[in-house]
Amino acid sequence: DAKTTQPTSMDCAEGRAANLPCNHSTISGNEYVYWYRQIHSQGPQYIIHGLKNNETNEMASLIITEDRKSSTLILPHATLRDTAVYYCIASSGGYQKVTFGTGTKLQVIP
Amino acid sequence: GAGVSQSPSNKVTEKGKDVELRCDPISGHTALYWYRQSLGQGLEFLIYFQGNSAPDKSGLPSDRFSAERTGGSVSTLTIQRTQQEDSAVYLCASVGLGGLVWNTEAFFGQGTRLTVV
Repeated sequence: DAKTTQPTSMDCAEGRAANLPCNHSTISGNEYVYWYRQIHSQGPQYIIHGLKNNETNEMASLIITEDRKSSTLILPHATLRDTAVYYCIASSGGYQKVTFGTGTKLQVIP
Repeated sequence: GAGVSQSPSNKVTEKGKDVELRCDPISGHTALYWYRQSLGQGLEFLIYFQGNSAPDKSGLPSDRFSAERTGGSVSTLTIQRTQQEDSAVYLCASVGLGGLVWNTEAFFGQGTRLTVV
């Protein structure tokens, strides 16, 4: 599975878009990019995933660069409840042996 | 139940004692994973069950750790002779149709917070 690199922490003003970057420069062609988040004292929660194309759901948008070496998770209108640690994962063969890394701690500021 | 259930939610144990942590996955999910999360750290893979296949135990940190999954459903993670470094949140996740098919989401439980004193 490809290694991912994320900033340790980010701040975002409430109501503004939060753009969380992830670098996965060694990603292979059959590896998906997944995003999860973990709100304090809870288990991780799935947000979105993609392979090549940009994806959007009710929670977020995922923008994957054409070379697939990086991606950005976009929370269009961040709320205080979006304060969490966000994990970016690249993998093809299941969740086994996937270590989620330390993620990006997003703090949404009132 | 509607989601993944773990019990107990909190466990305090004395060093050297054995503990059992339980995970009830979502009914019908074939794949089940155990992860460990130490304070301020990411999730560390421990073990993976998929259907009737032999589990992938490659993430277990020592032979004091073991896990089983009975009847393809409930799983128990056992830690023998607990040490202080075992203190962490232990998370269970289940995945639906085809755990080896990656374009599915994993559903996590709330975890068991283990404190070894």
